[in-house]
Amino acid sequence: DVKVTQSSRYLVKRTGEKVFLECVQDMDHENMFWYRQDPGLGLRLIYFSYDVKMKEKGDIPEGYSVSREKKERFSLILESASTNQTSMYLCASSPAAGPYNEQFFGPGTRLTVL
Amino acid sequence: GNSVTQMEGPVTLSEEAFLTINCTYTATGYPSLFWYVQYPGEGLQLLLKATKADDKGSNKGFEATYRKETTSFHLEKGSVQVSDSAVYFCALSPNFNKFYFGSGTKLNVKP
Repeated sequence: DVKVTQSSRYLVKRTGEKVFLECVQDMDHENMFWYRQDPGLGLRLIYFSYDVKMKEKGDIPEGYSVSREKKERFSLILESASTNQTSMYLCASSPAAGPYNEQFFGPGTRLTVL
Repeated sequence: GNSVTQMEGPVTLSEEAFLTINCTYTATGYPSLFWYVQYPGEGLQLLLKATKADDKGSNKGFEATYRKETTSFHLEKGSVQVSDSAVYFCALSPNFNKFYFGSGTKLNVKP
């Protein structure tokens, strides 16, 4: 059974803390993605990666960075967490190439910044 | 540019009612179209997809037809169940690997 796992389901942090959200996939997918999900706004792409050590900005990268040192792992970093980063964060992966691929999602991490 | 617009929710139906959730899109080229479903407390999972015009995707009694002339991909089900209560997302993927999602439509099915 294919799987995308995220390190935490729920996380509470304080303003100014550095936060790491980890995502691991076991499907040998080339592509990995980080989204945030907010009510009424749907999913918004933060960053994505097509290969190890490769990253590209999505639609809302400000305040975030990412790291992809190994193919199976894609980390989202909040350098200095702020209250407006309270959200649900979803990781996804997909195989490379072609417009017909689907994305496989993890269960999400609900982050609260106090 | 690429974008997806879907009807606002929530949609509340009684069990065995007919469901339609509207989805229209704007895209460059010829995208693939998807419906994803998110059950409470879970991530998104693929419900169905269509890769070219006039294709019909179907799964678990849900159907959607890729209509290029109206740039639409409406989701339908003939008889909903309480277990179908979830948030439904329409999405498109053009000729590369990025996906564009709609804002989601929450469906509540009452017994």
